[in-house]
Amino acid sequence: SQQGEEDPQALSIQEGENATMNCSYKTSINNLQWYRQNSGRGLVHLILIRSNEREKHSGRLRVTLDTSKKSSSLLITASRAADTASYFCATEANSGYALNFGKGTSLLVTP
Amino acid sequence: DAGVIQSPRHEVTEMGQEVTLRCKPISGHNSLFWYRQTMMRGLELLIYFNNNVPIDDSGMPEDRFSAKMPNASFSTLKIQPSEPRDSAVYFCASSDGGTGAEDKHFGDGTRLSIL
Repeated sequence: SQQGEEDPQALSIQEGENATMNCSYKTSINNLQWYRQNSGRGLVHLILIRSNEREKHSGRLRVTLDTSKKSSSLLITASRAADTASYFCATEANSGYALNFGKGTSLLVTP
Repeated sequence: DAGVIQSPRHEVTEMGQEVTLRCKPISGHNSLFWYRQTMMRGLELLIYFNNNVPIDDSGMPEDRFSAKMPNASFSTLKIQPSEPRDSAVYFCASSDGGTGAEDKHFGDGTRLSIL
């Protein structure tokens, strides 16, 4: 079952611009993760933010979490063509071990 | 270091045939997950193993699907008989630990087409 829902479904920008993707979820969470999927490949873990954190950085990535609005955002600064991929948010399922993924945002970065 | 290895990468077969997908998790990881990805439904968890024991198979669509993990370094997902609606990309993922907080390491998937 899906918990997270990404917005927009697709995003097209030029190299050097910033890309912002949003994720909304329905129930309370312990943490939220973002993954990237390149075409024809598996998902790669990018960053995890815990429910008591509001913002986290990793290189060109910035993730925010607003538990009152049940939403998170992923910002990629100074985008590169290599950032072209689908990006998924994932929340911990009620089971406590699995992840529920959204349907993803497809990002296209053109040179 | 080697990541999660899945085989085959692509499989095309006719409906009614048996399909076996294989996965080698990262050495030392004690949790293994099988996911299915389709455009319509996104990523769905099929089954979760911990220490080679199936813990949750509630996501397995029906009796035509079965999964095994005979040892810590190998798992299979079998579909018998296969149907066109089983066409999807099947991912295996492993992690070190049994909570939702650990990074899940995904293989590159098996793209399955049932004709």
